[in-house]
Amino acid sequence: QVQLQESGPGLVKPSQTLSLTCTVSGGSISSGYYYWSWIRQPAGKGLEYIGRFYSTGSTDYNPSLKSRVTISADVSKNQFSLTVTSVTAADTAVYYCARENRAQTYFEDWGQGTLVTVSS
Amino acid sequence: DIQMTQSPSSLSASVGDRVTITCRASQSISRYLNWYQQKPGKAPKVLIYVASNLQVGVPSRFSGSGSGTDFTLTISNLQPEDFATYYCQQSYTTPLYTFGQGTKLEIK
Repeated sequence: QVQLQESGPGLVKPSQTLSLTCTVSGGSISSGYYYWSWIRQPAGKGLEYIGRFYSTGSTDYNPSLKSRVTISADVSKNQFSLTVTSVTAADTAVYYCARENRAQTYFEDWGQGTLVTVSS
Repeated sequence: DIQMTQSPSSLSASVGDRVTITCRASQSISRYLNWYQQKPGKAPKVLIYVASNLQVGVPSRFSGSGSGTDFTLTISNLQPEDFATYYCQQSYTTPLYTFGQGTKLEIK
């Protein structure tokens, strides 16, 4: 059973960069069957798709966030990461990493989520 | 962007009831529609994928149907553990996936 675990600072100052890492166990991010994704959820609100990494090294991003977001991976550590630049209070949310089934295009497994607050 | 609209936004029901939640897409998404359940403080969990496929391990009282723009999630014989928030998600326009706003199912 694959497990995903997010890690990173819980507090980021406005205009600075948010960085999170997702560590995957029980499965390889080199697998061609899955995308490795980030999704966020502001408190009391709905879910917003951020983007994903694929084992070939390719990435896809939500166009609304594309100018500020980078997703990368360290295959040797079986981790993938999210960077969001120039953050504002609107980026305050619980951030989830997730494994997307490529064939059926759904989020099959999720991390527990990590709260990131943007505040001075 | 494809907008996903769920109705109702909230509903109250009793254990043993049958409930239906609707999700409407702003344009046709074929059958690329998934349903998730989220409990407070937890990550979402997939229930149904590609409109009507039950995820392994999900009880058979959950079912999904629909195609094009209109989809439904039905829960038969509600159990106490089913009280949660439910989200639909379209995966037709990759990578711009979008979710519905959620439906909160509460105990009457």
